[in-house]
Amino acid sequence: GAVVSQHPSWVICKSGTSVKIECRSLDFQATTMFWYRQFPKQSLMLMATSNEGSKATYEQGVEKDKFLINHASLTLSTLTVTSAHPEDSSFYICGGTRAYEQYFGPGTRLTVT
Amino acid sequence: AQSVSQHNHHVILSEAASLELGCNYSYGGTVNLFWYVQYPGQHLQLLLKYFSGDPLVKGIKGFEAEFIKSKFSFNLRKPSVQWSDTAEYFCAAHGSGNTGKLIFGQGTTLQVKP
Repeated sequence: GAVVSQHPSWVICKSGTSVKIECRSLDFQATTMFWYRQFPKQSLMLMATSNEGSKATYEQGVEKDKFLINHASLTLSTLTVTSAHPEDSSFYICGGTRAYEQYFGPGTRLTVT
Repeated sequence: AQSVSQHNHHVILSEAASLELGCNYSYGGTVNLFWYVQYPGQHLQLLLKYFSGDPLVKGIKGFEAEFIKSKFSFNLRKPSVQWSDTAEYFCAAHGSGNTGKLIFGQGTTLQVKP
């Protein structure tokens, strides 16, 4: 149990366009979901905390107008990278919490050209 | 400030060698501790966790970790590593009672030579 999926797993977009990444908890309800960014050979950096039905809480230094997060239901959270630029290229990972334990999606590789 | 620190950034071992990866945390209040593993091309998986009780925690794949409160440490151990243990290892923590927001350590790359 406790499976989290992400879609797409890999996306390439042109600079200036927007990209939406979906995170779904498949077999549990995640009141809270987290979005992370991971650079090659580095740790996960928490971007924001997403609570179902309310506004996301962003970590210091993360632009909320650039990284739009919507937690529409207990099983779905989306991250939209708006007006993407090459420096936004990264690996984005979501995590859903159940009983204080976090389960992670497989990640989405975003490449902005 | 809350933080998690991993001292070993890159560890290279031969098969059957013993492993110990260091993790120290800085947290006010009660803390829950985790070790995650990320195999090449795969998502993060939970190895083990400590919430309370016996400070020696056993996890999957023969891993264990010991919570030493006086040292603010939660080191990961395995008596005999295998080539398949080659992966990234992350120590993480969150304050008990919160929403589960995790603070990750920098990660340790373990390379096991056959």
